[in-house]
Amino acid sequence: DVKVTQSSRYLVKRTGEKVFLECVQDMDHENMFWYRQDPGLGLRLIYFSYDVKMKEKGDIPEGYSVSREKKERFSLILESASTNQTSMYLCASSFMKNTEAFFGQGTRLTVV
Amino acid sequence: QKEVEQDPGPLSVPEGAIVSLNCTYSNSAFQYFMWYRQYSRKGPELLMYTYSSGNKEDGRFTAQVDKSSKYISLFIRDSQPSDSATYLCAMSAGGNEKLTFGTGTRLTIIP
Repeated sequence: DVKVTQSSRYLVKRTGEKVFLECVQDMDHENMFWYRQDPGLGLRLIYFSYDVKMKEKGDIPEGYSVSREKKERFSLILESASTNQTSMYLCASSFMKNTEAFFGQGTRLTVV
Repeated sequence: QKEVEQDPGPLSVPEGAIVSLNCTYSNSAFQYFMWYRQYSRKGPELLMYTYSSGNKEDGRFTAQVDKSSKYISLFIRDSQPSDSATYLCAMSAGGNEKLTFGTGTRLTIIP
């Protein structure tokens, strides 16, 4: 079974803090993705990576950055957290680009 | 118009009923189709994955793709209370074209 593990289930951070969300997959997938999910807006793609050290902006990259130093690990960074970044963050990985994506359990981030 | 349309529900059906969940789409290039199940406060779990048109069955679940009508369906037979969740459809043209998700249908199975 594919396993995608996100480092935290729940996080509470203060406005202006730098926040790191970590994601690790154990299936040697080249493709990794970060989404946020908000009621009524569905899943929105923040950043993705098709290879180590490679990153591409998704639909809503503003206020975020990513790091992929190793194939299995993809980190999402909130440079200066703001209240409008309160959301459910989902990491995913896939063997083929943009097909069967496997998701982690999600991190519910609250910025106060 | 959204690229993928999915009725948000909520949909409530009695236990044992057949459930039909649907998505329509506008991009004729889509050829990979997925259904995900998401329990409250959890990540989406891949349920079904189909390529191009046709049917695929896995236990109580059947996925149908009708590319001529740009319409996909997920059928759940003998529905159980444990099937209560939000169901998301997703699709892509493959390659560098990103996955596009529906907004999800919230399903409740009443015991």
